[in-house]
Amino acid sequence: GDSVTQMEGPVTLSEEAFLTINCTYTATGYPSLFWYVQYPGEGLQLLLKATKADDKGSNKGFEATYRKETTSFHLEKGSVQVSDSAVYFCALSFSGNTPLVFGKGTRLSVIA
Amino acid sequence: NAGVMQNPRHLVRRRGQEARLRCSPMKGHSHVYWYRQLPEEGLKFMVYLQKENIIDESGMPKERFSAEFPKEGPSILRIQQVVRGDSAAYFCASSPPSINEQFFGPGTRLTVL
Repeated sequence: GDSVTQMEGPVTLSEEAFLTINCTYTATGYPSLFWYVQYPGEGLQLLLKATKADDKGSNKGFEATYRKETTSFHLEKGSVQVSDSAVYFCALSFSGNTPLVFGKGTRLSVIA
Repeated sequence: NAGVMQNPRHLVRRRGQEARLRCSPMKGHSHVYWYRQLPEEGLKFMVYLQKENIIDESGMPKERFSAEFPKEGPSILRIQQVVRGDSAAYFCASSPPSINEQFFGPGTRLTVL
């Protein structure tokens, strides 16, 4: 079945460090890909998405590029802030209002 | 436009009791999804509903769990005879028709004593 694998955490970085969180997927067909962020005690917020190969999603300094050849959608940010501390989830779904398939999440802690 | 609303935010039940979780989708959204998040785990899909119809319940346990989305009112996820293993955060998401993007509520954290 369809699945998403993302790097295990926790990830601890100093403020202004470069962030990469790896995400790969297995799917039959061509899904849309998403990154969601969950702050402590809250629900999930959509961070960015990409709907087809080579698309780049970006938001709040975060970026991810849909790579069909490597079935990957790695999340990057050039300079993290303490406020970026959260759990990040990679997910996929297909068109037509299908359910999301999530990775297990990666907890990021940014220290000043 | 208010976001997806869920209540209660926290729910404590003793083993054997019933839990009812409510979800009000965003205005104009006719699709509702329920997900369960176990501690330190990702979200797992449970059920997908449209108004008065269950579209996909492949992630729903076969016993004790049920869901509905009536013509009027919120979607309800119902867990009968709860057990400790039901303790989790339950998230609801909604989407408009033909838009492949889901908006999540704040979740209901169920604790079974």
